[in-house]
Formats: sequence, C-alpha cells, structure tokens
Amino acid sequence: GAVVSQHPSRVICKSGTSVKIECRSLDFQATTMFWYRQFPKQSLMLMATSNEGSKATYEQGVEKDKFLINHASLTLSTLTVTSAHPEDSSFYICSARTGYETQYFGPGTRLLVL
Amino acid sequence: KNQVEQSPQSLIILEGKNCTLQCNYTVSPFSNLRWYKQDTGRGPVSLTIMTFSENTKSNGRYTATLDADTKQSSLHITASQLSDSASYICVVTAGNDYKLSFGAGTTVTVRA
Repeated sequence: GAVVSQHPSRVICKSGTSVKIECRSLDFQATTMFWYRQFPKQSLMLMATSNEGSKATYEQGVEKDKFLINHASLTLSTLTVTSAHPEDSSFYICSARTGYETQYFGPGTRLLVL
Repeated sequence: KNQVEQSPQSLIILEGKNCTLQCNYTVSPFSNLRWYKQDTGRGPVSLTIMTFSENTKSNGRYTATLDADTKQSSLHITASQLSDSASYICVVTAGNDYKLSFGAGTTVTVRA
C-alpha cells in the first residue's frame, strides 16, 4: 500500500513555543490530506482537511489560528501548533488520499508540552 | 448523525484462541467499511475493506463480515498471536462526502 510518513515521531516542547509536524506522501500525490488528534484510549478525531493549494477546512471547535495547516505541494502538508500548552499534548496523525480513493495514515506524532 | 459503535471496548484472550469484534453503524449513504489495526503509538493500518455488495473479506488470520441490511460488521481473529495485541478500529466511509466515521476501537490483549 501507499506510504505516508510523519516527522518528527515525537516531540517535547515548552509551553508557549510552536511546533511544526510534517506529513509526506512518499509514493503518491495526495490531493487531500487530513489531520487528526487522538487522546489516550479514544479514537481519532478529525481536526481539519486540506486540499493542495487551498486553505484548510477546520472541524467545528478546532481553532484555525492555533493549528496552522499548510498543504503547499501534492506530497507535503504541515501542521503547526502555535503557542502550545499542556492541553495540546496528544497524538497527532495525518492521512492522505488521491481523489476519493483510500486514505492512508501516517505513523503519528506524539506531542508532549511541558 | 453518522455513528459507529464497537463492542466490546476491550478484551483479553489467550494466545492461540479466536475472538470476534463487533461494529454497528448508522452511516448513510454507505460507501465502504474498513477495519484498521492500530498498535500503541502508531498510526492505523488497514486490514480489510468491504463495499456494499461484499459479505466477507479475509486477510490472513483476519476475517471481516458485513451485513449491509442490519448495518453490522464483525472482525474475527483466528489463532491469535501476541502481535495481535492492538486496538482495532471500525471505520465507515459515507457515500456522499466520503467522510470517515470512526468507531472508538476495541483494545485486544493477547496473553501467553
């Protein structure tokens, strides 16, 4: 199957700093990428959907100014958590697809804000 | 509202035994249903995908069933191995906007 990578796999940062997470589709062009967050023992919650070259669509309750998403190319999307706080600590997972085909998930990024 | 419910929430089985996980959904219109395996600290990996016309799909020791009339699916794990310990997530794709609806997952623990 298609491969989606995320970097970094885990990050620890101080409260108030910003953290950028990269999501790359390695062997296909992703017209759409998705960002999810997952709290312990809970399922994935969609944060936003991004299409290459256009602004991301955020789910209700997700602050677009806090979670900046850039989908500058067909193989790369970035999520920047601005002014991170301890409550932002979570597992962030991206997924990518071409057209309306299968979504492929990345391995996730563990964020811990101290 | 599109919903996906899974049961049980968790289960513990002995190595070599079989188990069955359940998934009920209310997603409409329906496009497809996938079962994913998610190891701790990792992203979900697709095990099976079934469309409306498919009743069963196998992937090694994993066998998924789908009853589109009752909107129920199951995932059967045969001859469990320690490496099967993971969370299994049922995901249903809507047929209009292709949005995914996630179940909360079933955590399976296989013990020697």
